[in-house]
Amino acid sequence: GQNIDQPTEMTATEGAIVQINCTYQTSGFNGLFWYQQHAGEAPTFLSYNVLDGLEEKGRFSSFLSRSKGYSYLLLKELQMKDSASYLCAVYNTDKLIFGTGTRLQVFP
Amino acid sequence: DTAVSQTPKYLVTQMGNDKSIKCEQNLGHDTMYWYKQDSKKFLKIMFSYNNKELIINETVPNRFSPKSPDKAHLNLHINSLELGDSAVYFCASSQTGQGPYEQYFGPGTRLTVT
Repeated sequence: GQNIDQPTEMTATEGAIVQINCTYQTSGFNGLFWYQQHAGEAPTFLSYNVLDGLEEKGRFSSFLSRSKGYSYLLLKELQMKDSASYLCAVYNTDKLIFGTGTRLQVFP
Repeated sequence: DTAVSQTPKYLVTQMGNDKSIKCEQNLGHDTMYWYKQDSKKFLKIMFSYNNKELIINETVPNRFSPKSPDKAHLNLHINSLELGDSAVYFCASSQTGQGPYEQYFGPGTRLTVT
């Protein structure tokens, strides 16, 4: 079966750091992606991990532990525009399997 | 210079009707996808095509029929629309090969069936 879990909602304050966790149990694994989706818009690519460890991209970092079936997305120096849904997705052979997404609200 | 475009952006129709959604990408990608995002925002793959060939068909009702006239276009035709088909449909594209590769999404088509 395929199971990808994320918290449904999170809140944080402008300027703070927030970590969004994702755990997965899938029949196959070729990489883990993070997408950002603002309300009413298309998902846009943030980062991906194929090997264990941390990938840093500006204010965003993503971590993967394949043995634990675990990833997180770290957002630093939060801005109001970071209020969005964050989707964790496992790449399995030839398709992306998405989690239910985490809706992040950033408050001033 | 739009990368992945879809038409229409909004579609309101009655149960039982047949409708089509069109998708085009100008990124030179070989693989295109259709996703459905329901009211709970869960994004699920429906189909994927690689160079006009169907690769993935995720147990979607056969009322849904994708068609890829060339590798830059992937259309979705839906017959006998039902209330449960109401959702946002996203087209996406990606490179092919020793991936994985990020997928680029179109702006979505919000389908409302009344």
